[in-house]
Amino acid sequence: DGGITQSPKYLFRKEGQNVTLSCEQNLNHDAMYWYRQDPGQGLRLIYYSQIVNDFQKGDIAEGYSVSREKKESFPLTVTSAQKNPTAFYLCASSPSPGLGFSGNTIYFGEGSWLTVV
Amino acid sequence: AQSVSQHNHHVILSEAASLELGCNYSYGGTVNLFWYVQYPGQHLQLLLKYFSGDPLVKGIKGFEAEFIKSKFSFNLRKPSVQWSDTAEYFCAVNGDPGGTSYGKLTFGQGTILTVHP
Repeated sequence: DGGITQSPKYLFRKEGQNVTLSCEQNLNHDAMYWYRQDPGQGLRLIYYSQIVNDFQKGDIAEGYSVSREKKESFPLTVTSAQKNPTAFYLCASSPSPGLGFSGNTIYFGEGSWLTVV
Repeated sequence: AQSVSQHNHHVILSEAASLELGCNYSYGGTVNLFWYVQYPGQHLQLLLKYFSGDPLVKGIKGFEAEFIKSKFSFNLRKPSVQWSDTAEYFCAVNGDPGGTSYGKLTFGQGTILTVHP
């Protein structure tokens, strides 16, 4: 099946540890995104990548890092510098970064829950 | 920077009632507008989108939205809701390609809709 796969679905982290969330897509999409979802705050953009080997900071990039070495993969590392990492993380992709034409839509994975203990 | 505001955090309706969820954005240029829905335990799905042309956009499951440029609004409507419409609804906006918002989708805070049978 085509789609976006995020893993793990649930992750527990001790304070001070880095963790990496995986995101893989087999849709042949150029653009990929990471969002964080908190109750009452909607989705906030962490990082996005318009093409392989390139990525840009979103609105809340502090304490996070990403890489885009392969078109199908966009892993997110939540570092110990992230002060409030407990959240629901959503990975997404779109055929191209240019959302401004009909037919180009962002598709979302099922998300990963990260809890700091 | 673009921003999106959804007026209601939680809306409670009875089945067959009419629905209107407000969405306002702040961006002076050309925008693309979206409504996403997240049913309990499921990932985000696209309800409808506006790129250009007729400002009244029809989406899936009987939803529609009207783009009013002068009011910077993109309100979601449904004439008669069902229990199965219980979900969280997100409005999102993407700015003009080539501008600073290119490739970024900015979300509102979300509105939880609860429909009682």
